[in-house]
Amino acid sequence: QVQLQQSGPGLVRPSQTLSLTCVISGDSVSSNSAIWNWIRQSPSRGLEWLGRTYYTSNKWYSDNALSVKGRITVNPDTSKNQFSLQLNSVTPEDTAVYYCARGRMATGYDSWGQGTLVTVSS
Amino acid sequence: QSALTQPPSASGSPGQSVTISCTGTSSDVGGYNSVSWYQQHPGKAPKLMISEVTKRPSGVPDRFSGSKSGNAASLTVSGLQAEDEADYYCGSYAGNNNFVFGTGTKVTVL
Repeated sequence: QVQLQQSGPGLVRPSQTLSLTCVISGDSVSSNSAIWNWIRQSPSRGLEWLGRTYYTSNKWYSDNALSVKGRITVNPDTSKNQFSLQLNSVTPEDTAVYYCARGRMATGYDSWGQGTLVTVSS
Repeated sequence: QSALTQPPSASGSPGQSVTISCTGTSSDVGGYNSVSWYQQHPGKAPKLMISEVTKRPSGVPDRFSGSKSGNAASLTVSGLQAEDEADYYCGSYAGNNNFVFGTGTKVTVL
């Protein structure tokens, strides 16, 4: 049974970089059958898929939502079996609960981290 | 990409059924058999309840069922129980590596 454990700061200053990590147990970040995602939830924007990373055909891929394009990086760390989120140039609109999750757009997200409330404020 | 439209609230008495709608467009719900449903209790992460319109993941009670017609999908909870009181969200693949969630429905067990 896969478990996802998130970590990272709960307060980020405006214009700085939001960084979160998701440690995977019970599965592998390098699995050819899994996709690793970041999703956030806020009262103003609801649930919003942000980006993903996955390994297939001996190559790493990542892609992200247009709403955060140019500001987001989702990277795997095979040595620690984890993946990370970096969101640059944050504003108060980026205040949300951030979740990591395993799953595919076609079939849904079947395992979630516990969530991290990130507040963007000076 | 606009969020899928759900009613803000729905309710039913214990043992009754409640159905939640999820309305999109031909670019998302109507274009793919890739609708999923999530249950979220306060302060908790969402939990996958329905995958690919009608499929129940292992461990999800068969009281939960999903369907789709045209650009709208539905989640039905039969035999309502107190623990079913939660927020429910739909989600759909929207093409071009996009995924969109619904606006959410609060289900109250009377």
